[in-house]
Amino acid sequence: QKEVEQNSGPLSVPEGAIASLNCTYSDRVSQSFFWYRQYSGKSPELIMSIYSNGDKEDGRFTAQLNKASQYVSLLIRDSQPSDSATYLCAVNSGTNAGKSTFGDGTTLTVKP
Amino acid sequence: IAGITQAPTSQILAAGRRMTLRCTQDMRHNAMYWYRQDLGLGLRLIHYSNTAGTTGKGEVPDGYSVSRANTDDFPLTLASAVPSQTSVYFCASSSGGDYNEQFFGPGTRLTVL
Repeated sequence: QKEVEQNSGPLSVPEGAIASLNCTYSDRVSQSFFWYRQYSGKSPELIMSIYSNGDKEDGRFTAQLNKASQYVSLLIRDSQPSDSATYLCAVNSGTNAGKSTFGDGTTLTVKP
Repeated sequence: IAGITQAPTSQILAAGRRMTLRCTQDMRHNAMYWYRQDLGLGLRLIHYSNTAGTTGKGEVPDGYSVSRANTDDFPLTLASAVPSQTSVYFCASSSGGDYNEQFFGPGTRLTVL
């Protein structure tokens, strides 16, 4: 089992819809969780971080964390074509503070 | 300099040659990282440094070495390049600790023939 697993994708949604990206992790002591966006040919860019159970909202983005289920998700409301990218989930384990483990990413396409 | 810079942007290298990828950050971050990203895959950690003067091995360290003589610079060296090291290499930095929000450089595309 991979330490961090994401929906293999690709995920395609129409413009204006909600895109839901999911991530599970195996290390129960994980403390910090991140979503990065990576456009084709570019470097990853941090878009959301979450550290406590529940929801965290930032504009059209909402991160959801459930530590009991070892699950973190990213919702993108009112999806735009500019949201088309690969989204990487990253988990920072409390046992390896300072190092993040990344999932393989989910590629999202928002169709006009 | 703003953020993280990497050099070169791209490089074609003959197998067996030695190559150093450069990474410099101006954010005074304690921690720095080197990742490789292969087509269709996520980021795999090669080496990291939690603070100047210390380094550690990541998930795929074989064939690579790093040094951290100061806060700003974190070069990655391939002592004798092999074709399986063909990849995109990203350097990243963070303030370190539990939160570890990472900021990435633009990447170096390396092809080993």
